[in-house]
Amino acid sequence: QVQLVDSGGGVVQPGRSLRLSCAASGFIFSDYPMHWVRQAPGKGLEWVAVISSDGTIKYYGDSVKGRFTISRDNSKNTLYLQLSSLRAEDTAVYYCVSALTYGVYFDHWGQGTLVTVSS
Amino acid sequence: DIQMTQSPSFVSASIGDRVTITCRASQDIGSWLAWFQQKPGKVPKLLIYGASNLQSGVPSRFSGRGSGTDFTLTITSLQPEDFATYYCQQADSFARTFGQGTKVEVK
Repeated sequence: QVQLVDSGGGVVQPGRSLRLSCAASGFIFSDYPMHWVRQAPGKGLEWVAVISSDGTIKYYGDSVKGRFTISRDNSKNTLYLQLSSLRAEDTAVYYCVSALTYGVYFDHWGQGTLVTVSS
Repeated sequence: DIQMTQSPSFVSASIGDRVTITCRASQDIGSWLAWFQQKPGKVPKLLIYGASNLQSGVPSRFSGRGSGTDFTLTITSLQPEDFATYYCQQADSFARTFGQGTKVEVK
């Protein structure tokens, strides 16, 4: 069965960096674009970034553009999100998400990993 | 980026009520719209895709309509397990956006 396992979250000081990972299994990882979505405590869902199946095309939400970098290693079936110049408002649960069944609709989500930006 | 605006932000309803949530896109997105349900502490769940198609396993009391810029999610005969927050999301562009959410609460 499809599994997405998010990891790498933790408490980090403002201005520092952190790398999140998402280990994928149960499907052909290299065939699908992958996304990151985040949710600040008590707030709504915010789309963060997408990467194409081969890793050559990347798009970012306006609030993270220039600070976050999405990447993937298809040989390891792993998705990454490098978070830099972190701010308090980046505090959120970060989810790795895929759209497997219908190609564009988010039908599989990781369990999420919490990033807390605090001094 | 495409902006998605949901209304209302909160709905107070009783078991058996009919609930309708509206989502408006800032530009024409055809039928590239999904609806998600999220319960506290849980991962969002896909309910509706392609504006009106019910995801496998989702009860038929949920339905979606619309195209272009205006969309609705309707829950007929609200059940106890339906109290949750609902989000729309456009899938027309790589840069996906969600609505701000609608919380369905017990009246």
